Amino acid sequence: QKEVEQNSGPLSVPEGAIASLNCTYSDRGSQSFFWYRQYSGKSPELIMFIYSNGDKEDGRFTAQLNKASQYVSLLIRDSQPSDSATYLCAVNLDRGSTLGRLYFGRGTQLTVWP
Amino acid sequence: DVKVTQSSRYLVKRTGEKVFLECVQDMDHENMFWYRQDPGLGLRLIYFSYDVKMKEKGDIPEGYSVSREKKERFSLILESASTNQTSMYLCASRVRSGGTDTQYFGPGTRLTVL
Repeated sequence: QKEVEQNSGPLSVPEGAIASLNCTYSDRGSQSFFWYRQYSGKSPELIMFIYSNGDKEDGRFTAQLNKASQYVSLLIRDSQPSDSATYLCAVNLDRGSTLGRLYFGRGTQLTVWP
Repeated sequence: DVKVTQSSRYLVKRTGEKVFLECVQDMDHENMFWYRQDPGLGLRLIYFSYDVKMKEKGDIPEGYSVSREKKERFSLILESASTNQTSMYLCASRVRSGGTDTQYFGPGTRLTVL
């Protein structure tokens, strides 16, 4: 069973703070890691991906990967009320395989209050 | 721009009806996926396809079938709809470009079975 675990939340932070979202995965062979944002009633949209250990920054978002600990996180700096959404972590076990399947966590609900 | 479309945003059907949900992508992608999303359960994979006429069962295929006669179109079929199939249905298409290998989602179909 391929497990991807996230705290369901809700995580509540004030505007301007750093929001930290965490994800752990069970399969050591996992190769690629993704963060999707999903607004209420909408479909998920990809916001970050990371393949290598360490940090990857894109604007206010930073993805952090630690394969030894099987842990991936998403930091949102200077959080805004518009960041309020559910954040889904997804894992690809075999990048480039024919099947292309992703395994998703259940998501963490983030609320940023003004 | 990645574009995945679904035939309906909202659908209401009666128990026992045969239901067709359609997903179309115009980018020549090989892999397409059908998920359902329910509160507290996250995204669950129903079926996926990696080529025309090729299909693979996901985690919850019971009560569903799929059809992929053309590369751009992937249909999900509920042979005899039941109330427990009331859900948000999301189609996704695999994108491999610029070093990424991930999925992009359509807008979703919210199905209600009465």
